[in-house]
Amino acid sequence: NAGVTQTPKFRVLKTGQSMTLLCAQDMNHEYMYWYRQDPGMGLRLIHYSVGEGTTAKGEVPDGYNVSRLKKQNFLLGLESAAPSQTSVYFCASSSQGTVPHEQYFGPGTRLTVT
Amino acid sequence: GDSVTQMEGPVTLSEEAFLTINCTYTATGYPSLFWYVQYPGEGLQLLLKATKADDKGSNKGFEATYRKETTSFHLEKGSVQVSDSAVYFCALSEGHSGGYQKVTFGIGTKLQVIP
Repeated sequence: NAGVTQTPKFRVLKTGQSMTLLCAQDMNHEYMYWYRQDPGMGLRLIHYSVGEGTTAKGEVPDGYNVSRLKKQNFLLGLESAAPSQTSVYFCASSSQGTVPHEQYFGPGTRLTVT
Repeated sequence: GDSVTQMEGPVTLSEEAFLTINCTYTATGYPSLFWYVQYPGEGLQLLLKATKADDKGSNKGFEATYRKETTSFHLEKGSVQVSDSAVYFCALSEGHSGGYQKVTFGIGTKLQVIP
């Protein structure tokens, strides 16, 4: 099992450009999450999904959109990148069937917006 | 709302030293508590967990006890190794109206172990 994978690993964008980060999991997990990690702030939840076709806002959703068309994939989009979105982005997934929900993380995407 | 407090560090220790990383939390209900570890260039991975008061989680020589009376979940290891150098995150989870367990993370404590 690959677990949770993320593409790309690194990306540099200019202000105003758009991009999509892809997250894939092969554990048949129902729940998926996108976090951003910034120095001194820990991990903050951007958006999450409790199942295929459903998404919801987390703590810091502004400037991001997400889609979950297939259970195994969770996409994070930046329509018009801003320097404030320079961060490391982590995708995670968890199973509905285990309590408490242990979250499994991908290796992260380091995004720089200039 | 829920919150988790831990020092950011870095904490620098010599190999074989005793480690304590403090974690305290605020929660409205009865959360589950976790320690996650992030090695350089990698994502977070679960180190240990505890689901109720007085539970002790343990893994790879690390331990933490769920102390409800002091709302704490301090991480300890008796003898650290260079390979333990990483960032350690304390976290709690509670049920959420969205149908999943919301996880709140601390800011992470960087541990540096020197030979």
